[in-house]
Amino acid sequence: EAGVAQSPRYKIIEKRQSVAFWCNPISGHATLYWYQQILGQGPKLLIQFQNNGVVDDSQLPKDRFSAERLKGVDSTLKIQPAKLEDSAVYLCASSYPPAGSYEQYFGPGTRLTVT
Amino acid sequence: GENVEQHPSTLSVQEGDSAVIKCTYSDSASNYFPWYKQELGKRPQLIIDIRSNVGEKKDQRIAVTLNKTAKHFSLHITETQPEDSAVYFCAASYDSGGSNYKLTFGKGTLLTVNP
Repeated sequence: EAGVAQSPRYKIIEKRQSVAFWCNPISGHATLYWYQQILGQGPKLLIQFQNNGVVDDSQLPKDRFSAERLKGVDSTLKIQPAKLEDSAVYLCASSYPPAGSYEQYFGPGTRLTVT
Repeated sequence: GENVEQHPSTLSVQEGDSAVIKCTYSDSASNYFPWYKQELGKRPQLIIDIRSNVGEKKDQRIAVTLNKTAKHFSLHITETQPEDSAVYFCAASYDSGGSNYKLTFGKGTLLTVNP
């Protein structure tokens, strides 16, 4: 099966600019996650969608980050305005949780550099 | 919220030796504990997971043990090979509803297997 797709793979912007990332989950996966992975750390969950509804966004900096998942398939994550500390890899993951299956499948990530 | 501590941060072993990575978690409600492997510049991939109703699980050279009382779990890799070199992340989670697991990751262990 095709994996989780993300674009762009790399992005360099200046602080205070805006940026958007796109994710296409594995077909049929109802749950979609956005993680932020700062260099040398584990992924940190930013937001979790179940179909097109938000399940958890408690760690999303809502003053500058926003995410949507229209039609319960693709998702976009936006940062506006960006700060230097937003430099990280942004990972999208998806899962299809029938009973007993909780694996999250990760995309290749978008490496964001804010200068 | 959940907090996951992972040790050591780096681990170097000789090919054929065993490697052990340990994690502790804080939330006694956590009931699902996956381990992810991330090779340099690549996406995290699930290698093994364990649920709280099981004390140990094995898959060929990889095993995970869980001690719910002490709130710690460990990854054991036997007969290590150079291709095992990667960053390993533990995670803990609980069912946030509808079988949607919210993962909290440790900071990772860089494992180097020397030929």
